Amino acid sequence: QLVESGGGLVQPGGSLRLSCVGSGFTFRTSPMNWVRQAPGKGLEWVSSISTSGRDTYYSHSVKGHFTISRDNSKDTLYLQMNGLRAEDTAVYYCAKDATGDYFFDFWGQGTLVTVSS
Amino acid sequence: QLALTQSPSVSASLGASVKLTCTLTSEYYNYAIAWHQQQPEKGPRYLLKINSDGRHSRGDGIPDRFSGSLSGAERYLTISGLQSEDEADYYCQTWATGIRVFGGGTKVTVL
Repeated sequence: QLVESGGGLVQPGGSLRLSCVGSGFTFRTSPMNWVRQAPGKGLEWVSSISTSGRDTYYSHSVKGHFTISRDNSKDTLYLQMNGLRAEDTAVYYCAKDATGDYFFDFWGQGTLVTVSS
Repeated sequence: QLALTQSPSVSASLGASVKLTCTLTSEYYNYAIAWHQQQPEKGPRYLLKINSDGRHSRGDGIPDRFSGSLSGAERYLTISGLQSEDEADYYCQTWATGIRVFGGGTKVTVL
């Protein structure tokens, strides 16, 4: 199970930190990801992180203002979002990689982030 | 540039079969992809992966009504015996070092 939290309404330029708690699998051996979906739009990959947290990857649209991290002792994935813009409004999903592969084999239910004044 | 193209929508009758297409940019014609389903107001669900040799593997609990195949740079998802709960958006996904890519999605309507 993957359970996201931390979404909400934030003003443009503000910050928010999303969390995703994993259970039912070995979190520390699973690369993890964030994917978002703007209202009425398709899925957009946001960021990925390796099992140790040493390697991180970002889409062009969020690089420099989002930071992905993880705490394996808490089975938790994070997404720190700074300098939020209206176009960051979306449902944010966490997803785990399949073992030894790079596609998403399990998804959370998402948390809604709304950036508006 | 690695990219995936999907038709925006398709419709078919209850009990019929439907074949969705996902096209890789030509230089990446041999890449594997995965298919995901998103029912209305729900999070996505992994369906299956199509390897570059055409073999596919379904996710846990995914019925064998869902199958995958390929031809050249095209990857297919076939849904047989359409049921009402199959009405959903379907996304293909691929990957390269440091990036993940989604297609734009195909909306399946069950008539």
